[in-house]
Amino acid sequence: SQQGEEDPQALSIQEGENATMNCSYKTSINNLQWYRQNSGRGLVHLILIRSNEREKHSGRLRVTLDTSKKSSSLLITASRAADTASYFCAPAQGGSEKLVFGKGTKLTVNP
Amino acid sequence: GAVVSQHPSWVICKSGTSVKIECRSLDFQATTMFWYRQFPKQSLMLMATSNEGSKATYEQGVEKDKFLINHASLTLSTLTVTSAHPEDSSFYICSARIHLTGELFFGEGSRLTVL
Repeated sequence: SQQGEEDPQALSIQEGENATMNCSYKTSINNLQWYRQNSGRGLVHLILIRSNEREKHSGRLRVTLDTSKKSSSLLITASRAADTASYFCAPAQGGSEKLVFGKGTKLTVNP
Repeated sequence: GAVVSQHPSWVICKSGTSVKIECRSLDFQATTMFWYRQFPKQSLMLMATSNEGSKATYEQGVEKDKFLINHASLTLSTLTVTSAHPEDSSFYICSARIHLTGELFFGEGSRLTVL
């Protein structure tokens, strides 16, 4: 299993703006998942993108995957104060692999 | 998404006692569950992989006799912190995998405070 590296470590924006966070990984993957964690809570599964997909949408979320660059990005459009949380990516080489997590991106959306 | 329930959400205990935390997948079967530990302002640290019907696989540095894991059914895994000490105080989070898709869903976490 491998750990994704999120960038930036912290991001502060105004409500209504878009937020982009990136994830890089080292070896080839089968899929990559993004999660959100509000302070003191468990992780919420946001989206899974497979290696044969380049882009995926879910509501205000847009995830891209570039396997040639071994990177993924998560875009949150029209951000809200409720989007304030830490965001983690989890690359996986297989469906049965354990997931390990990096430090995440701490997003703060100011009202 | 799928629902994973974790109980209790918080527990306070005296040093030397044992505490059991339950993790249930409510609307799917999970042959594999995972237990994580998180200290304040840090990322999740994987403790062990819980396999239904077999022994758990522990990560390096995690004491298996200290953190007992039992995965007796396809919907329930338990973590027992034995002879708890103040340094065991932490946020424990479980997760369960949907086998077909590989998606991992998390419980809400259990905050353990050992006095």
